[in-house]
Amino acid sequence: ELKVEQNPLFLSMQEGKNYTIYCNYSTTSDRLYWYRQDPGKSLESLFVLLSNGAVKQEGRLMASLDTKARLSTLHITAAVHDLSATYFCAVAPLSGYALNFGKGTSLLVTP
Amino acid sequence: GAVVSQHPSWVICKSGTSVKIECRSLDFQATTMFWYRQFPKQSLMLMATSNEGSKATYEQGVEKDKFLINHASLTLSTLTVTSAHPEDSSFYICSARDPGPRYTFGSGTRLTVV
Repeated sequence: ELKVEQNPLFLSMQEGKNYTIYCNYSTTSDRLYWYRQDPGKSLESLFVLLSNGAVKQEGRLMASLDTKARLSTLHITAAVHDLSATYFCAVAPLSGYALNFGKGTSLLVTP
Repeated sequence: GAVVSQHPSWVICKSGTSVKIECRSLDFQATTMFWYRQFPKQSLMLMATSNEGSKATYEQGVEKDKFLINHASLTLSTLTVTSAHPEDSSFYICSARDPGPRYTFGSGTRLTVV
């Protein structure tokens, strides 16, 4: 069974600070997905990481993938309040199969 | 980009009645769609994989007779919650993999059973 573990599950950080969310998964996969969810809303796609060493950046968020370590990171740079949301990583055991989600990281950015 | 349309956005129904939720891929064909359920402050849990033209594959613990899935075309999958009870109240989200490597999600359906 594919397991996806995120940490931390809760994160309160001040505006302007940096932090990293970690995502470990238990089986071989070369593609990892990051999503954002606002309260009461569905998922918004942030990043699709398709190979070992992949790094993608969008604004204050940067995601990376190390398939050998089965680890992905989501780095937040100079956090702003608008980044407050829940962030999920997800992995599919094989291409086209359903995504398995981590428990999510609830991020609160405070002034 | 690929769009998955889900309706209704929210529904309130009486206990014992049935509710149908539709999930459509608007600009691509989806031979496979996925149905998830999300309880408050929890992650998404896969309920079933919907396959066009064949029976859905249900995850362990999900009652196939209660959660009826039909995938009659390459762009439409439906989830019917039969004989709904208050414990079925949840946020239901469908998803499909688009022609690229991306999994696109519907906007979700908030079901409240009273």
